[in-house]
Amino acid sequence: DVKVTQSSRYLVKRTGEKVFLECVQDMDHENMFWYRQDPGLGLRLIYFSYDVKMKEKGDIPEGYSVSREKKERFSLILESASTNQTSMYLCASSFVGSSTQYFGPGTRLTVL
Amino acid sequence: AQKITQTQPGMFVQEKEAVTLDCTYDTSDPSYGLFWYKQPSSGEMIFLIYQGSYDQQNATEGRYSLNFQKARKSANLVISASQLGDSAMYFCAMREGVGTGNQFYFGTGTSLTVIP
Repeated sequence: DVKVTQSSRYLVKRTGEKVFLECVQDMDHENMFWYRQDPGLGLRLIYFSYDVKMKEKGDIPEGYSVSREKKERFSLILESASTNQTSMYLCASSFVGSSTQYFGPGTRLTVL
Repeated sequence: AQKITQTQPGMFVQEKEAVTLDCTYDTSDPSYGLFWYKQPSSGEMIFLIYQGSYDQQNATEGRYSLNFQKARKSANLVISASQLGDSAMYFCAMREGVGTGNQFYFGTGTSLTVIP
């Protein structure tokens, strides 16, 4: 079974803190994605990566950065967390041209 | 323009009845894939069904079928014989192209409630 894991299910941080969200997949997928999910807005792509050290901006990259030093790991970084970044964050991975993405369980981040 | 449009924020269906969840898409790429995911209240995204743009037949997976109308750019999900466990959010998604770095686009979702 494909497994995508995320470092935390729930996270509470203070405004201005640096936040790291980690995602690890065990299927040797080339592509990895970070989304945020908000009620009424669906899933919006923040960043994705199609290879180690490669990254592409999605629809809402502002306020976020990413790192992919190893194929299996894709990190999302909030350099200075703000309250409007309170959201559910979902990581996903896939093979190139795959018929689906596989999702992690999500991290519900609250920024106070 | 929105790549994926789901116009039904919420739907209700009687148990054992069939229900159709609407999805329209927008792309000029001749090669694309269409997906449906289910998200129960627990939060995990569960892949349900896939349709490729060149597939001649409508995709089916058990009680799920995808009504693919290419000219209308629609990819509606049909759930037959609804069960209480089908109550969830449903997301339609599209992947444009098949090359490296192609991203997925998601709709805003439809919340389905199955009534006993």
